[in-house]
Amino acid sequence: EAQVTQNPRYLITVTGKKLTVTCSQNMNHEYMSWYRQDPGLGLRQIYYSMNVEVTDKGDVPEGYKVSRKEKRNFPLILESPSPNQTSLYFCASSLSGQVTEAFFGQGTRLTVV
Amino acid sequence: ILNVEQSPQSLHVQEGDSTNFTCSFPSSNFYALHWYRWETAKSPEALFVMTLNGDEKKKGRISATLNTKEGYSYLYIKGSQPEDSATYLCAFTGNQFYFGTGTSLTVIP
Repeated sequence: EAQVTQNPRYLITVTGKKLTVTCSQNMNHEYMSWYRQDPGLGLRQIYYSMNVEVTDKGDVPEGYKVSRKEKRNFPLILESPSPNQTSLYFCASSLSGQVTEAFFGQGTRLTVV
Repeated sequence: ILNVEQSPQSLHVQEGDSTNFTCSFPSSNFYALHWYRWETAKSPEALFVMTLNGDEKKKGRISATLNTKEGYSYLYIKGSQPEDSATYLCAFTGNQFYFGTGTSLTVIP
């Protein structure tokens, strides 16, 4: 089944404790991206990757890191999480960037206390 | 940061009514305009991707149009059903994706 898989689905952590949210797609998509969803603000792009070893900042990259060492995986790293990073996070992939539909993962609900 | 605006913010309609929503976006550096359907507790799912001015797409009772010169897209739902209740998101893409805040549709049986 074609899908984007995020893990974990739910995470509660403490300020400053490094964490990684994994994202994997099995559709051989070139483009992958991370978003955060906050009430009243819509989905905001954190980072995106057009291909392996190519990553670019989105609108809200501060406090996040990503890597794209393999085509299928695009992990999101929070080196030192803070409470303002409490949010709902989505990973998405698309076949060839901005002109093809995005497929979204199930979402990760992160709470930083 | 580019501004993508959707209206109305929320909408309640009776079953069987037809309805439409608007997405406004910058008319420069345009790559594509996407529409997604997002049900509560699920992930957004793509409805349409449109790239050319004047594009019209249709999927069952849902259709969309695109005007890139004036920077707007309309999404139409004909004969709304309770299962159409969801948030409808549009996204403008230039170098990256810019999502609007969505229109929340509730269809009352």
